[in-house]
Amino acid sequence: QQPVQSPQAVILREGEDAVINCSSSKALYSVHWYRQKHGEAPVFLMILLKGGEQKGHDKISASFNEKKQQSSLYLTASQLSYSGTYFCGTDRGADGLTFGKGTHLIIQP
Amino acid sequence: ETGVTQSPTHLIKTRGQQVTLRCSSQSGHNTVSWYQQALGQGPQFIFQYYREEENGRGNFPPRFSGLQFPNYSSELNVNALELDDSALYLCASTGQGFNNEQFFGPGTRLTVL
Repeated sequence: QQPVQSPQAVILREGEDAVINCSSSKALYSVHWYRQKHGEAPVFLMILLKGGEQKGHDKISASFNEKKQQSSLYLTASQLSYSGTYFCGTDRGADGLTFGKGTHLIIQP
Repeated sequence: ETGVTQSPTHLIKTRGQQVTLRCSSQSGHNTVSWYQQALGQGPQFIFQYYREEENGRGNFPPRFSGLQFPNYSSELNVNALELDDSALYLCASTGQGFNNEQFFGPGTRLTVL
């Protein structure tokens, strides 16, 4: 079953923060986050594994609450380069990644 | 390190025809997954190949088939093309199992008329 992402779209000014949420009705092994710019392939951001861990690099971090089957992606002090569509992909072990419909992020100067 | 490559970049076919898409995995990666991405949607898992064997399949009919070769490159074949098959087809390679990051290729844009 497809994970649900929220919000569907968000418009920010450069320097503002954003949170993108991803929730699943099924138990998860891991959550993968990707960013895709128009006409390009998805680019890997990070994986979160079972254990409720939080990961991050630069000003992008994420958390994974396996009990609630939820993950959140945090974008701090957003930059113009952060614009794109963000997808969470959930992994239940045997069926490949199941991606949400995406969250469109627009960063304005 | 060589990235994931796909060919062709674009393809136009008519209903009922057959198509073969190709993917070269990243150097050292032995697992390849194929995804279909319709306009405005997230990628949908078609199937995965590990060491030349199909190792997982999504909800796609049997007319979607694949191969993986000893050098870990892969093909996606679609028979009896339908208009709804028009999409971006992405392949992704992974190093060791699915908990590792997947590296996506640039995709093949298929248009079925």
